[in-house]
Amino acid sequence: QKEVEQNSGPLSVPEGAIASLNCTYSDRGSQSFFWYRQYSGKSPELIMFIYSNGDKEDGRFTAQLNKASQYVSLLIRDSQPSDSATYLCAVTAGGTSYGKLTFGQGTILTVHP
Amino acid sequence: DTGVSQNPRHKITKRGQNVTFRCDPISEHNRLYWYRQTLGQGPEFLTYFQNEAQLEKSRLLSDRFSAERPKGSFSTLEIQRTEQGDSAMYLCASSSRVPIATNEKLFFGSGTQLSVL
Repeated sequence: QKEVEQNSGPLSVPEGAIASLNCTYSDRGSQSFFWYRQYSGKSPELIMFIYSNGDKEDGRFTAQLNKASQYVSLLIRDSQPSDSATYLCAVTAGGTSYGKLTFGQGTILTVHP
Repeated sequence: DTGVSQNPRHKITKRGQNVTFRCDPISEHNRLYWYRQTLGQGPEFLTYFQNEAQLEKSRLLSDRFSAERPKGSFSTLEIQRTEQGDSAMYLCASSSRVPIATNEKLFFGSGTQLSVL
């Protein structure tokens, strides 16, 4: 079993719809959870982080965390073609460095006009 | 330029050769990370430095790999006797230690794409 697993893609949604991206993790000691966006040929860019159970909203993005179910998700409302990218879920156990991340394999999102 | 800089952007080498990559972090960042990413996968942690001290190395980092960060500024990642399996994007990221560690934010460079023929 992979340590961090994301829903298999690619995911295709129409412009204006809600895109839902899911991620499960195996290490119950994981403390912080991140969503990165990676455009083709570019480096990952942090878009959201969450470390408490519940929802966290930032503009069109909402991250949801359920530690009991070891599940984290990202909702993108009013999806735009510019949101088309690979979305990477990452977790960290903390300790000496919260920058030591374990990434999922990524989910490719395509938003079509 | 205030971002993380990596050189070269692309490196093509023959199997068995040694290669070295350089990373210049954001100047005020004291933490520097190396990750490796293959096509269709997420980045994998390799190693990280706080200032000049290398604090952790992944089991993925065989003895052919070595990283340094002299004087706590730029870092180099060297791969000796390259193998075809080393072909990947090598990403560098930096961050600053913050009091609330749960939101340590990594800034990634553009990466060095290594192709071993």
